Amino acid sequence: GENVEQHPSTLSVQEGDSAVIKCTYSDSASNYFPWYKQELGKGPQLIIDIRSNVGEKKDQRIAVTLNKTAKHFSLHITETQPEDSAVYFCAAKKGNTPLVFGKGTRLSVIA
Amino acid sequence: GAVVSQHPSWVICKSGTSVKIECRSLDFQATTMFWYRQFPKQSLMLMATSNEGSKATYEQGVEKDKFLINHASLTLSTLTVTSAHPEDSSFYICSAPDSSSGETQYFGPGTRLLVL
Repeated sequence: GENVEQHPSTLSVQEGDSAVIKCTYSDSASNYFPWYKQELGKGPQLIIDIRSNVGEKKDQRIAVTLNKTAKHFSLHITETQPEDSAVYFCAAKKGNTPLVFGKGTRLSVIA
Repeated sequence: GAVVSQHPSWVICKSGTSVKIECRSLDFQATTMFWYRQFPKQSLMLMATSNEGSKATYEQGVEKDKFLINHASLTLSTLTVTSAHPEDSSFYICSAPDSSSGETQYFGPGTRLLVL
């Protein structure tokens, strides 16, 4: 089955700097890759997603890139703010199968 | 995006009692919903897939008689933790894919269960 690896497990950046989180997946048939932000005590919130027919997607300060050949995708957050501090999860799936999640990255933005 | 609600947001119960958690898709219909369990500082672990009108599909190692799932309608799925024990204490989260947005999966706010 699908296996998703996520790095780093923790990341600290200065406010205003960029943050990059990387994930790799094992199943070349996976075609949907969402990113979720989870704040303490809350459910995951979808922040951006990308499908396999697209190489890059951007939404304001957040962008996701996908390299199907290498089977990896990355989350980029620019101009980080303290409120970006949270745990971020990447995930992958194909068709109607359930999402397979990475282990998460705890992002701390230092003011 | 679409909204998924859960009730209750937190519950404390005694060992041996049963607890029911509801998951609702508020502005879309979901023939499938997913139930996850999350321990502190860990990722989400899929417990089961809830299917409207048919039996749930459980992941390996999840006891179906312990975690009863009922997908009563296209907007409601319930998870009942039967004969709860302290080791069942966890954060339970449901999610539902919205077919109108290409199966984008939205999560509920979670239910924190504490079994004494």
